[in-house]
Amino acid sequence: DQQVKQNSPSLSVQEGRISILNCDYTNSMFDYFLWYKKYPAEGPTFLISISSIKDKNEDGRFTVFLNKSAKHLSLHIVPSQPGDSAVYFCAASAGRGSGNTGKLIFGQGTTLQVKP
Amino acid sequence: NAGVMQNPRHLVRRRGQEARLRCSPMKGHSHVYWYRQLPEEGLKFMVYLQKENIIDESGMPKERFSAEFPKEGPSILRIQQVVRGDSAAYFCASSPLGSGNTEAFFGQGTRLTVV
Repeated sequence: DQQVKQNSPSLSVQEGRISILNCDYTNSMFDYFLWYKKYPAEGPTFLISISSIKDKNEDGRFTVFLNKSAKHLSLHIVPSQPGDSAVYFCAASAGRGSGNTGKLIFGQGTTLQVKP
Repeated sequence: NAGVMQNPRHLVRRRGQEARLRCSPMKGHSHVYWYRQLPEEGLKFMVYLQKENIIDESGMPKERFSAEFPKEGPSILRIQQVVRGDSAAYFCASSPLGSGNTEAFFGQGTRLTVV
């Protein structure tokens, strides 16, 4: 049962354009969402997060949008740079209240390639 | 300020041997999570520990796998009698004590190869 899904295995965009990575989830108990970036042979690096009480969070070139009714979130990168080429993972957590342990449930990842 | 440290980075074991993976969390962090990434897949939760306690091991295989986080020293993920299917990247993450919703910081992982 894949509770967090990234349906696009890969995405290719031109440098300077917008990259939009999508993520869907099924568990309505999730209340915190994160995006991680991962280079080969390295650990995931935290990018940006959003709490379920918000619908948008912005940090520099990165913006995450959350649509709770659709159980959908997206990561926008603008402008995209060649150094952004990596695998991007969406993750969700049910927080640490009510017995939840805060473990992260990850999507399968989307490989982003930004072409110069 | 050192990040999450995992060692070894690469580990090769023959079938039937034991594998020990170590994780030192970031300074001040007492929550440790272990995740496994099989080839071409996302990270899968295995176990969540606080100092001297296993809080959630719902993602850990029932046999051959164990984890600990002693009062002193790193967290250890132990795999007994390894099989080829255990070949994967194992990541440790830590987060601060008493935090609510916050990001977990990952180590660089241990790549286990079973031959």
